[in-house]
Amino acid sequence: GAVVSQHPSWVICKSGTSVKIECRSLDFQATTMFWYRQFPKQSLMLMATSNEGSKATYEQGVEKDKFLINHASLTLSTLTVTSAHPEDSSFYICSASGVRGRQETQYFGPGTRLLVL
Amino acid sequence: GNSVTQMEGPVTLSEEAFLTINCTYTATGYPSLFWYVQYPGEGLQLLLKATKADDKGSNKGFEATYRKETTSFHLEKGSVQVSDSAVYFCALSEGNAGNMLTFGGGTRLMVKP
Repeated sequence: GAVVSQHPSWVICKSGTSVKIECRSLDFQATTMFWYRQFPKQSLMLMATSNEGSKATYEQGVEKDKFLINHASLTLSTLTVTSAHPEDSSFYICSASGVRGRQETQYFGPGTRLLVL
Repeated sequence: GNSVTQMEGPVTLSEEAFLTINCTYTATGYPSLFWYVQYPGEGLQLLLKATKADDKGSNKGFEATYRKETTSFHLEKGSVQVSDSAVYFCALSEGNAGNMLTFGGGTRLMVKP
């Protein structure tokens, strides 16, 4: 079964609204979570890295005030797209990293497709 | 910085054909190498990995060997099936599997019956 979940899987919103995406590790503690963005027919681009209890580290060119990341617990990280615009429409994927079954590992969520009208 | 380059797709093969998807990398240290697969409508799944030179990762009939001398990690399968149709991503991370991944551009594989 799934090890990392994302919610919602699909969201359509009006321009100017904010959208929150949750990423949960279901059966292990994720000390680090990564947020990626994938454009159609393109690869994943890392947006930010978040460690539990500390501020996220954003990649160059990613606006931290637009993409708010909170990693409040070892099983939950959230990405909030603030004041979303059509150019923010994309597929957002999280991955959770930690020790699972005595092994350092990383699992990806199923992704959240965001469409901003 | 680190980078991963993989062959552009789409790659179209007939069922039971031999598959090779090339992947080369640039890294400052000694990375771990991965192949991820993304089936239509699904999330990324780890297909196989190798953590040091000359290691061979294998899973579901797919294989890839970590070649330090050529900085390559080519994905191969002897006989593809229609169900292998997906997008394949080569990736690397410095250190262990829990670290940030750098992805290649992805290669779409289409297998026809």
